[in-house]
Amino acid sequence: GAVVSQHPSRVICKSGTSVKIECRSLDFQATTMFWYRQFPKQSLMLMATSNEGSKATYEQGVEKDKFLINHASLTLSTLTVTSAHPEDSSFYICSARDSGRAPDTQYFGPGTRLTVL
Amino acid sequence: EDQVTQSPEALRLQEGESSSLNCSYTVSGLRGLFWYRQDPGKGPEFLFTLYSAGEEKEKERLKATLTKKESFLHITAPKPEDSATYLCAVQASRGTGNQFYFGTGTSLTVIP
Repeated sequence: GAVVSQHPSRVICKSGTSVKIECRSLDFQATTMFWYRQFPKQSLMLMATSNEGSKATYEQGVEKDKFLINHASLTLSTLTVTSAHPEDSSFYICSARDSGRAPDTQYFGPGTRLTVL
Repeated sequence: EDQVTQSPEALRLQEGESSSLNCSYTVSGLRGLFWYRQDPGKGPEFLFTLYSAGEEKEKERLKATLTKKESFLHITAPKPEDSATYLCAVQASRGTGNQFYFGTGTSLTVIP
């Protein structure tokens, strides 16, 4: 139980293009999902908190117009990196909170490796 | 200042050599402390949640304990497949919501 998937697992794109990453909770409903990025050998950096049916809450320093988050249903949140540049290359990980079973626990997806050329 | 600190940064153990990883925190309003395992290029895998001082949780060779200031992840007779980065996270009450604080992890290598 408590499985979170991400798609795609890897994506390579040209500078200036937009990339969408999907995060799904497969066997539970997630009213809250989180988006993180992680640099090599560093810990997770929270980018934003996504609540179903409402606007995402972004952490300080994260550009909301560049990292568009949509949490349209209780099982799906998407992160769109708009006009991507090489400095956006990173490992993006989502997590979801199973509010029914373990309200305080985050379950993580497998991550998406983004490379911007 | 709210902070979560993990030590050591890296740990090399011989197979079968038991040890402990530490996660100390200076966070008020603790709601829970979480341990995750992360393999290279993958997302963190949930291991344990601890809610109150004195609580202990076990899973195979791993045992997590919690005090008011820190948590330990004890690894008994580790095997090479236990090699990974172990992350600690703390959830704290903040106003109308909760805030998560992650440590930087301990990279564990178990040598056959």
